[in-house]
Amino acid sequence: EADIYQTPRYLVIGTGKKITLECSQTMGHDKMYWYQQDPGMELHLIHYSYGVNSTEKGDLSSESTVSRIRTEHFPLTLESARPSHTSQYLCASSEYRGLPPYEQYFGPGTRLTVT
Amino acid sequence: KNQVEQSPQSLIILEGKNCTLQCNYTVSPFSNLRWYKQDTGRGPVSLTIMTFSENTKSNGRYTATLDADTKQSSLHITASQLSDSASYICVVSDRGSTLGRLYFGRGTQLTVWP
Repeated sequence: EADIYQTPRYLVIGTGKKITLECSQTMGHDKMYWYQQDPGMELHLIHYSYGVNSTEKGDLSSESTVSRIRTEHFPLTLESARPSHTSQYLCASSEYRGLPPYEQYFGPGTRLTVT
Repeated sequence: KNQVEQSPQSLIILEGKNCTLQCNYTVSPFSNLRWYKQDTGRGPVSLTIMTFSENTKSNGRYTATLDADTKQSSLHITASQLSDSASYICVVSDRGSTLGRLYFGRGTQLTVWP
């Protein structure tokens, strides 16, 4: 079992609310990721980070933002949630040193529903 | 366009039977191929990672094969158990950047019946 945690596991909120999805890992990994996954569909990368103070946008455009103030913590924020944000959000982390391939470890995910 | 296609989309088998899942990819330049198991409502868990030089890799009852020439991979599950019911995702990494980008398939949903 990977040491990567996400909270909350489930969240139902109304349109227009600000939300923050938490992700933390205790493996000391430099690189962290956020993916979005709809039922029966592939994972899409929305954000990633190489380390503290580094954040990059992924392949799928997202209205969310991320921050990386501490190595172990990579929260995702939605300033104003909309029904189109309803999805499963998965956090992952990996090593970034030495020779590839770099194993990615996933958290359990947050199932977000915006009403 | 770099893509990962998996078949079948879904599969139902009886407990104790074997099955094989397929993955075809067009990702280039190729770096490695991974198989993940994702239980419903959970994050994916790695089963195997294979690089260009590896053509088979096992993890318990799971055996993955890779043919880099035809860009095909398969995941064989032996003596299936009820706990094998999950989505199995094929993921291919390229060598286009230092860290490699991951291309995800949509998964094969496996259901094992008693």
